[in-house]
Amino acid sequence: DVVMTQSPLSLPVTLGQPASISCRSSQSLVYSDGNTYLNWFQQRPGQSPRRLIYKVSNRDSGVPDRFSGSGSGTDFTLKISRVEAEDVGVYYCMHSTHWPNTFGQGTKLEIK
Amino acid sequence: EVQLVESGGGLVQPGGSLRLSCAASGFTFSSYSMNWVRQAPGKGLEWVSYISSSSSTTYYADSVKGRFTISRDNAKNSLYLQMNSLRAEDTAIYYCAREFSFWGQGTLVTVSS
Repeated sequence: DVVMTQSPLSLPVTLGQPASISCRSSQSLVYSDGNTYLNWFQQRPGQSPRRLIYKVSNRDSGVPDRFSGSGSGTDFTLKISRVEAEDVGVYYCMHSTHWPNTFGQGTKLEIK
Repeated sequence: EVQLVESGGGLVQPGGSLRLSCAASGFTFSSYSMNWVRQAPGKGLEWVSYISSSSSTTYYADSVKGRFTISRDNAKNSLYLQMNSLRAEDTAIYYCAREFSFWGQGTLVTVSS
């Protein structure tokens, strides 16, 4: 199985400051069709997960443009340009390239 | 508006069975693959199972293979998860998700004697 490793696991951020989460996979996430099926999810306290980013860098509908995804192969990053109070929660990367799909451990973002 | 509503969770004894349902609305259910994802209390997300739009292809996590069965009824816009031989470690909130782009609110399964 592909192991997804996120860092940091805890991320205290000052409001208005940028934040960055790293996600590394134990093998390449490039599928045979040339796409890389790496997703990012946000889970606010008490809520269901919500997908923010799909295929590395594509924002889902309604996701603020302060969220961006980048990376390739085995190394990926989620960036928040200016953290707002509503961004508090846990962020997960997940691949859907291979079976089984696997999630990272989660990164808890809190406001300093 | 896309909606996914899970039901069927509850308290069950170890070794018991439970069938979860996910009622879909607001989109053409038969056009989308579906997934079940679970989250143990205070823990992270774990993908459980996948089913293609036509039910021709299914996949399972090793942790549930041979015990859980995913199915769907496109005429009823419904997704199911039959869970047998339940263990304490299956205790979790179970979410259905449409290709991970939309998620339901989840249903809690507790396996305990």
